[in-house]
Amino acid sequence: EVQLLESGGGLVKPGGSLRLSCVGSGVIFSNYAMSWVRQAPGKGLEWVAGISGGGGDIYYGDSVKGRFTISRDNSRNTVYLQMSRLRADDTALYYCAKEEAGLLGPNFHNSMDVWGQGTTVTVSS
Amino acid sequence: DIQMTQSPSALSASVGDRTTITCRASQSINRWLAWYQQKPGKAPKLLIYKASTLASGIPSRFSGSGSGTEFTLSINSLQPDDVATYYCQQYDSYPRTFGQGTKVEIK
Repeated sequence: EVQLLESGGGLVKPGGSLRLSCVGSGVIFSNYAMSWVRQAPGKGLEWVAGISGGGGDIYYGDSVKGRFTISRDNSRNTVYLQMSRLRADDTALYYCAKEEAGLLGPNFHNSMDVWGQGTTVTVSS
Repeated sequence: DIQMTQSPSALSASVGDRTTITCRASQSINRWLAWYQQKPGKAPKLLIYKASTLASGIPSRFSGSGSGTEFTLSINSLQPDDVATYYCQQYDSYPRTFGQGTKVEIK
C-alpha cells in the first residue's frame, strides 16, 4: 500500500521560512512525479507545485512562484517544499500527492492518485 | 490559467437519489479531468480520472462523462457515505487548477 506522510508544518511569522517534507513508502518513489496541494481553512484546494520523478521538471502555481521551491531526494523517498517570504494567505493545510506517472510537461497528463494526510502551516505574528 | 467552475456549490438529496455535479473549463482540456472526494477532516481521494475512468476501489455508482469544456460527475443512488465535498481538477496544462467544490449532503 502506498503511503505518504507529511511533516514540518508549524507556526511562523510573516516573512519567515519553513520546509515541509513528505516521505513515501510502498512504491518505487523515483518512478512518480509528486505534487503539493494546499487548502486554506474552510476553503477549496489549490495546487502549489509539482516535480517529475527524476526531479528535472518543476512547475509552480502563480501565487507561490519565486517564493517556494519544490525538490526531492529519491534516496530518501522524500519530496520537500521550501517556503520563504511567507504571508498570512499561505496559511493552509499542505498535502503532498503522488501523481500517476513520472514525467511532467506539456505532453504529460497525470492525476493525483494517492494523498497524504497533510501538515498545517500557520503564518501569523 | 484555466478556470474551473463547478455547479451547484451545494446540494441536498435523499438516499437513493441520482445526483449530478457539473464542471466547466474556461478552455478545452480534452479529457484531462479528475474528480476528487473529500470527506470532512480527511484528505482528498481520487474518484475518477481522464473524465470517465473510475479509480481503483471506487464504487460503480460513481460515473463521469464529458470532454472539451463540460464535464459531469454522477452518483447513482446516493448513499450516506457519499456525504463529502467533490472537486474537479484539470490536468491539461500548468498550473493545475481545481473547481471551487460542491458540498453534497443528505436530505
